[in-house]
Amino acid sequence: NAGVTQTPKFQVLKTGQSMTLQCAQDMNHEYMSWYRQDPGMGLRLIHYSVGAGITDQGEVPNGYNVSRSTTEDFPLRLLSAAPSQTSVYFCASSYSGLPASYNEQFFGPGTRLTVL
Amino acid sequence: AQSVTQLGSHVSVSEGALVLLRCNYSSSVPPYLFWYVQYPNQGLQLLLKYTTGATLVKGINGFEAEFKKSETSFHLTKPSAHMSDAAEYFCAVSDLRAGTALIFGKGTTLSVSS
Repeated sequence: NAGVTQTPKFQVLKTGQSMTLQCAQDMNHEYMSWYRQDPGMGLRLIHYSVGAGITDQGEVPNGYNVSRSTTEDFPLRLLSAAPSQTSVYFCASSYSGLPASYNEQFFGPGTRLTVL
Repeated sequence: AQSVTQLGSHVSVSEGALVLLRCNYSSSVPPYLFWYVQYPNQGLQLLLKYTTGATLVKGINGFEAEFKKSETSFHLTKPSAHMSDAAEYFCAVSDLRAGTALIFGKGTTLSVSS
């Protein structure tokens, strides 16, 4: 069981470039989420998905796009990178048993992104 | 709206001393509360969680937390700090609008000196 995997581990972009952060999980989890972590800010929710084909916005969705075509994968796309998107990005997944809030989130190791 | 406040961005203790990391929450409904730990350059690992039932929750690595509704608190404690406890700790509450997603506090960095 690999758990939650993220690629790449590190990435440097120039302003205006686009890229996709990959996230995959092999635990058959229905729920997946993307967070960004900035110093002194904790983690903030970007987008989340409650199942294949269903996504919704979190607290800080601007500049990011997601899709969920399979249960396993939940890629995060940066449409036109900006320096304000320099951050560490974490993907997480969890079971969908009810009540949903009982369920532990499993986190990936993160992607450290720098936008110049 | 739900929120979490962690008091103290940095806590320093000596090895063997009591660890106390403070967390207060705001929620209009009974909250589900979590503590996560993040070691340097790693992802987050669940320490413990409170959903319903017993208000004193025991977690991994000797940590525990007590849910106090009257004080809207969920402080994390460990009787005796170890050098390996040095990490960043996050308190979180379930975001009931977003599946199983979490609303995090800003984190507390724990330093342990010998």
